[in-house]
Amino acid sequence: DIQMTQSPSSLSASVGDRVTITCRASQGISNYLAWFQQKPGKAPKSLIYAASSLQSGVPSKFSGSGSGTDFTLTISNLQPEDSATYYCQQYDSYPRTFGQGTKVEIE
Amino acid sequence: QVQLVQSGAEVKKPGASVKVSCKASGYAITSYDINWVRQATGQGLEWMGWMSLNSGNTGYAQKFQGRVTMTRDTSISTAYMELSSLRSEDTAVYYCASAKGGTRSSYENWGQGTLVTVSS
Repeated sequence: DIQMTQSPSSLSASVGDRVTITCRASQGISNYLAWFQQKPGKAPKSLIYAASSLQSGVPSKFSGSGSGTDFTLTISNLQPEDSATYYCQQYDSYPRTFGQGTKVEIE
Repeated sequence: QVQLVQSGAEVKKPGASVKVSCKASGYAITSYDINWVRQATGQGLEWMGWMSLNSGNTGYAQKFQGRVTMTRDTSISTAYMELSSLRSEDTAVYYCASAKGGTRSSYENWGQGTLVTVSS
């Protein structure tokens, strides 16, 4: 199974900041990498697919990059509504695997 | 895109089975796969398996092999996930997620989740 490792596990930042979350795959997955946002008590929401493509309706403040084993999710101009847990997932092979999540809090 | 609506919360005793439904609506539904993901309280996301709404083909995580069955009823555009021999560790929110059919497709939409509580 491909292991996905996110860092950091949590972060705290101020309104207006830019934050970056990293996700590392235990083996190469090309660009078959997705990012999800989950707010407390809610279902996950799909943000990014193919490492860098935004899902329909997702604001451009979210951006993704990477290929192979190393990926990043960047959130620009951080706002209170961005407070959530973010997960990466590889869909290059089965079983699909998720990172452990990164909790983003607003200071 | 496909929208997904799941069935309501369930409470089951250890050893019982639970069947969660996921009703799809939208365009070209049968071109989609339905994936099932669960999340225990305070924990991360765990992939359980997938099913093609077109062919009914399935693939399950090894952890759930022998205990999970994914089926569909195309007449009502609904997918089902049945988990048997329930134990307390199966207490979680279960989500369905849609992905365009194909070996490497990302999830587009998610259901709202179904809380399954296993308790004696």
